[in-house]
Amino acid sequence: RKEVEQDPGPFNVPEGATVAFNCTYSNSASQSFFWYRQDCRKEPKLLMSVYSSGNEDGRFTAQLNRASQYISLLIRDSKLSDSATYLCVVYGGNTGKLIFGQGTTLQVKP
Amino acid sequence: GAGVSQSPRYKVAKRGRDVALRCDSISGHVTLYWYRQTLGQGSEVLTYSQSDAQRDKSGRPSGRFSAERPERSVSTLKIQRTEQGDSAVYLCASPFPDQAQGNQPQHFGDGTRLSIL
Repeated sequence: RKEVEQDPGPFNVPEGATVAFNCTYSNSASQSFFWYRQDCRKEPKLLMSVYSSGNEDGRFTAQLNRASQYISLLIRDSKLSDSATYLCVVYGGNTGKLIFGQGTTLQVKP
Repeated sequence: GAGVSQSPRYKVAKRGRDVALRCDSISGHVTLYWYRQTLGQGSEVLTYSQSDAQRDKSGRPSGRFSAERPERSVSTLKIQRTEQGDSAVYLCASPFPDQAQGNQPQHFGDGTRLSIL
């Protein structure tokens, strides 16, 4: 079983739609969680950190459920520019290494 | 990515040869991490280097990967006896400049695309 698992998709949604991605992690001792966005042939860029209390940044909402070892990302009012791969990333302990999910591909269509 | 640059952007090498990839970061980062991205397998951490130029050969998938720190702001990923399966994008990452070490997100360089023939 992979340490961080995501549905690879692709998710094809129309502009304006709301879409949700889920991610599960296996190490219950994990402490920090992030969503990164990666465009084709580009490096991953931090989208947002994920906190237990949930956090929101504009159209994006991230949620962490420690009991279920589950992270989510909600995108409201999807834009064409949201088309990318979204990586669920978990901080792998005190070595500083990030553990990546496989990534979920989102394609927003006009 | 901001504060982290990698070179070369593209590299082609023959199987069996050793290759070295470079990462330049904002000076002062204690640790730089190397990741590999491949289609179908996603991303995995390979190894890391620390500011005292400590060499770490414990990277996956085998000891063929090592990271050196010839200068405080430079890390070099060395891949020995390259295999075709090493064809991938290699990303260097460091913690964000204003964050303490620990559970913090990382800045990624724009990567080196390595092709092994």
